[in-house]
Amino acid sequence: ETGVTQTPRHLVMGMTNKKSLKCEQHLGHNAMYWYKQSAKKPLELMFVYSLEERVENNSVPSRFSPECPNSSHLFLHLHTLQPEDSALYLCASSQDSGRDQPQHFGDGTRLSIL
Amino acid sequence: AQTVTQSQPEMSVQEAETVTLSCTYDTSESDYYLFWYKQPPSRQMILVIRQEAYKQQNATENRFSVNFQKAAKSFSLKISDSQLGDAAMYFCAYGDSNYQLIWGAGTKLIIKP
Repeated sequence: ETGVTQTPRHLVMGMTNKKSLKCEQHLGHNAMYWYKQSAKKPLELMFVYSLEERVENNSVPSRFSPECPNSSHLFLHLHTLQPEDSALYLCASSQDSGRDQPQHFGDGTRLSIL
Repeated sequence: AQTVTQSQPEMSVQEAETVTLSCTYDTSESDYYLFWYKQPPSRQMILVIRQEAYKQQNATENRFSVNFQKAAKSFSLKISDSQLGDAAMYFCAYGDSNYQLIWGAGTKLIIKP
């Protein structure tokens, strides 16, 4: 399924670098999400956007900065990350942000912080 | 706050046999949704099945079915006639009233040929 595309697939960066993760959905959905997936832990919801407005920010450190310029695109800007931020970052979308909505996921970006 | 617990970090099953993955959750809400998602190795997370809490009937999708016990707050996934392509991490998730899916830690399913 290519409905949700994430780039890059892999990213290695130093703690002082600035980089951005990109997500694009081709499903006509109105809600988009960023998750952090670490081994043997539940997915952690980071941000939710509905109709390009942020509706949820789960106490994420300010070194993660989301941007949603339109309903098809979502970015996660990274700055001064820590080693514990190494993880798989997943983007997802759904028709709207209701609790009954199935979410469609991208392949993720594997982030490694040196 | 809602929580989701998957007590089996790993399960294995012989090809063509049936396996059941466990999920329990804690909530004070009466109306909610429950989901099972599958994440194959290095591939996308995909929805397996969805259950609406106010529906008594257990959801079914081909070889996948759930045993939803609302009073016990249990939502197990049964996979019949297991196939090699079923090997994956399986995640149980609860759809709460604040736009969020609350996720379990996952169960790794191994299919033995």
